[in-house]
Amino acid sequence: SQQGEEDPQALSIQEGENATMNCSYKTSINNLQWYRQNSGRGLVHLILIRSNEREKHSGRLRVTLDTSKKSSSLLITASRAADTASYFCATEYNFNKFYFGSGTKLNVKP
Amino acid sequence: EAGVAQSPRYKIIEKRQSVAFWCNPISGHATLYWYQQILGQGPKLLIQFQNNGVVDDSQLPKDRFSAERLKGVDSTLKIQPAKLEDSAVYLCASSQRAPGQAEAFFGQGTRLTVV
Repeated sequence: SQQGEEDPQALSIQEGENATMNCSYKTSINNLQWYRQNSGRGLVHLILIRSNEREKHSGRLRVTLDTSKKSSSLLITASRAADTASYFCATEYNFNKFYFGSGTKLNVKP
Repeated sequence: EAGVAQSPRYKIIEKRQSVAFWCNPISGHATLYWYQQILGQGPKLLIQFQNNGVVDDSQLPKDRFSAERLKGVDSTLKIQPAKLEDSAVYLCASSQRAPGQAEAFFGQGTRLTVV
């Protein structure tokens, strides 16, 4: 399978805490992207990290990529109730093909 | 910039009936995707177009699903006949594929219920 797989499947934290979710994949990729999906909505792109990059930041988001371990992590710092959503990693191979994992469901309690 | 438009938002049909979904991508986006998302799962790629040509339809159940993208802009996805297991959200996405702009932009999706 070319899909990434997220871990954990579900995560529940208090507001203000950090949330870390991981993504593992099996074959070489061009880039890896993280998306957020609020209940009943479409997916929103969060951040893209290329295969030759190791770390990227965007606001409260920090993404790392370890191509030797074929894994990535998404860290959300100082979480808010509004961060409650499902988070998906999408691995991109040739010809712009995106393959999504099954997601991590994050619940941030106020 | 207008986003990806999909219609209808919701559809309920009986099994063995047919249904069609429509997608209008972001203007200028050459790549268009259709994904199927079953409740509790991640999106599964059904078909990918580059302009009006098919790049990948390896996971499209071609005995019942068909898709087209006329003139390289709008796209329709059809299911005929529908089965109970086709109940899902069908997401359309588009991307520009310019350097540094690899992200896909998603529509709100069409929630299909087959009864």
